[in-house]
Amino acid sequence: GAGVSQTPSNKVTEKGKYVELRCDPISGHTALYWYRQSLGQGPEFLIYFQGTGAADDSGLPNDRFFAVRPEGSVSTLKIQRTERGDSAVYLCASSLLAGGPRGGNEQFFGPGTRLTVL
Amino acid sequence: KQEVTQIPAALSVPEGENLVLNCSFTDSAIYNLQWFRQDPGKGLTSLLLIQSSQREQTSGRLNASLDKSSGRSTLYIAASQPGDSATYLCAPRGEYGNKLVFGAGTILRVKS
Repeated sequence: GAGVSQTPSNKVTEKGKYVELRCDPISGHTALYWYRQSLGQGPEFLIYFQGTGAADDSGLPNDRFFAVRPEGSVSTLKIQRTERGDSAVYLCASSLLAGGPRGGNEQFFGPGTRLTVL
Repeated sequence: KQEVTQIPAALSVPEGENLVLNCSFTDSAIYNLQWFRQDPGKGLTSLLLIQSSQREQTSGRLNASLDKSSGRSTLYIAASQPGDSATYLCAPRGEYGNKLVFGAGTILRVKS
């Protein structure tokens, strides 16, 4: 596609439920990133994939959060036993390359999924 | 741990003014720095990316500068327009790892 797409755009769930958020990166981009943005703040890093593997998951807040990218393209962020504090906008980004100081590592963001946990 | 501060937090100017948004970061060991624009309820649009070896990057009415050693970047917007109204975010990328660290942003309002 032309840009990064994310589905759903909005998700409302009840406390304790399981949710999946999907990200479709720009075609050909090898690196994929998940960030979380709370109201009035800048995005915070969650996890980064290089190909199919999670190269850095240091931003995942706890073991209720998990993400996969099985074929090196689409990624799914999974949240178990959701809590009200998980409510935020979840942003996905992709870049052509990853690592190194040269070009190709500009990150392009999707529109986000707004998650509301009641 | 990288910390990013953006000043001012909010700015309201009349149309046509030139303005400067400031970004400072605590860890100067960065590979690059990106400036983004975010419209209400939307995702981030990349405006400019400056590599650590560069001092400036320009795109249309936007000019971004980087002083890596002092941990500072500025975004200069010339001849501001109401359509420039948005939140502007800066995000350096560290030498170790690929994550961007964001400031809280500057909320810009350009009045017609």
